[in-house]
Amino acid sequence: GAGVSQSPRYKVAKRGQDVALRCDPISGHVSLFWYQQALGQGPEFLTYFQNEAQLDKSGLPSDRFFAERPEGSVSTLKIQRTQQEDSAVYLCASSLGGTGINSPLHFGNGTRLTVT
Amino acid sequence: DQQVKQNSPSLSVQEGRISILNCDYTNSMFDYFLWYKKYPAEGPTFLISISSIKDKNEDGRFTVFLNKSAKHLSLHIVPSQPGDSAVYFCAASAPGGSTLGRLYFGRGTQLTVWP
Repeated sequence: GAGVSQSPRYKVAKRGQDVALRCDPISGHVSLFWYQQALGQGPEFLTYFQNEAQLDKSGLPSDRFFAERPEGSVSTLKIQRTQQEDSAVYLCASSLGGTGINSPLHFGNGTRLTVT
Repeated sequence: DQQVKQNSPSLSVQEGRISILNCDYTNSMFDYFLWYKKYPAEGPTFLISISSIKDKNEDGRFTVFLNKSAKHLSLHIVPSQPGDSAVYFCAASAPGGSTLGRLYFGRGTQLTVWP
């Protein structure tokens, strides 16, 4: 498809389980972002990749969160030992380069994670 | 602390009238502003943007106004249509440095356009 694809769409995890969320960006997009959107809030930045390099991970809330993009295309966000406060929609976005005026972010439909 | 604020959680407008969505920001380093539209169970979709060197950008029925001195921007939709009913997010970014690639979002405003 032409858009950003995320899987799974929904994930229910028991507290303490590990989860892995996948993102397929638009082909050719250099930049890839992960955002977390809690209920009633706007998306909050988690991390940013340019190709395979993770240039900014300052938004990751704890060391239980880990993201990778080993070949500069598909990315995985992993959450270890999930907690209830991790329940949110996780959005992946890609762009041709950064977030400048010629590179708006294109978002996927997100993965809704529910931790019980 | 929220650097981008949308103080109206909801707005209801009759079809054909103007919708005005407001956004305020606190970081004077922001130089690029965007509006995203989001339908339920979908990701945000880019709508329109404006650089800080401009005070207005227009695209069809959508116009964004930027008032840098007041750190305020607004999105005008004229005429409003029922299909415009969605959550609208205001977002901003700063140039380079430690915030490279990062967008700051407001909490969104739910727009409802009724016939």
